[in-house]
Amino acid sequence: SAVISQKPSRDICQRGTSLTIQCQVDSQVTMMFWYRQQPGQSLTLIATANQGSEATYESGFVIDKFPISRPNLTFSTLTVSNMSPEDSSIYLCSARAGELNEQFFGPGTRLTVL
Amino acid sequence: AQSVTQLDSQVPVFEEAPVELRCNYSSSVSVYLFWYVQYPNQGLQLLLKYLSGSTLVKGINGFEAEFNKSQTSFHLRKPSVHISDTAEYFCAVKSGNTPLVFGKGTRLSVIA
Repeated sequence: SAVISQKPSRDICQRGTSLTIQCQVDSQVTMMFWYRQQPGQSLTLIATANQGSEATYESGFVIDKFPISRPNLTFSTLTVSNMSPEDSSIYLCSARAGELNEQFFGPGTRLTVL
Repeated sequence: AQSVTQLDSQVPVFEEAPVELRCNYSSSVSVYLFWYVQYPNQGLQLLLKYLSGSTLVKGINGFEAEFNKSQTSFHLRKPSVHISDTAEYFCAVKSGNTPLVFGKGTRLSVIA
């Protein structure tokens, strides 16, 4: 299994600013993912982040808005740039680990943009 | 691309009654199916998963699900619910090395 932690757990930000969310996994993993969960909605995949390569973004998400770093096998960051109230969501980090390649989730970062 | 349909956005049920939360997925050669639970203001917790083998899968907290390939369904069931089961339930699917794709979720409300 994998234990995933995220920082910050929540934040309130002003529009036009940027926030970087950190994700730490307690074991080395190849594949990490970032999801967004808008209020009352399901989880939507933002991007897949593999160590040593550029992140792969899903339709509707772009690198300029959501730059991702993956410097090693246990850590990733997601930046939400030039924020607007529409970016208010829970952002979840996920990683694939274990013999069965199960996908584990962090507790999420609750972002409110004013 | 894979997709998941959770047919009920909200399911109210009385305590100690049985419940079924429905999930259908788009067909693929081979799929892996999951149910996650999200309690209020908490992260996602894996309830159960189907990878292969027996089509009836038992999970935590007394939940079980049945994989039905012909109907492309993976409905979640519990014979007797408790107040503490009130939460949002998400069905998810993946095939091969793809990331999980989630349904829209079903809010289960257990009424005393």
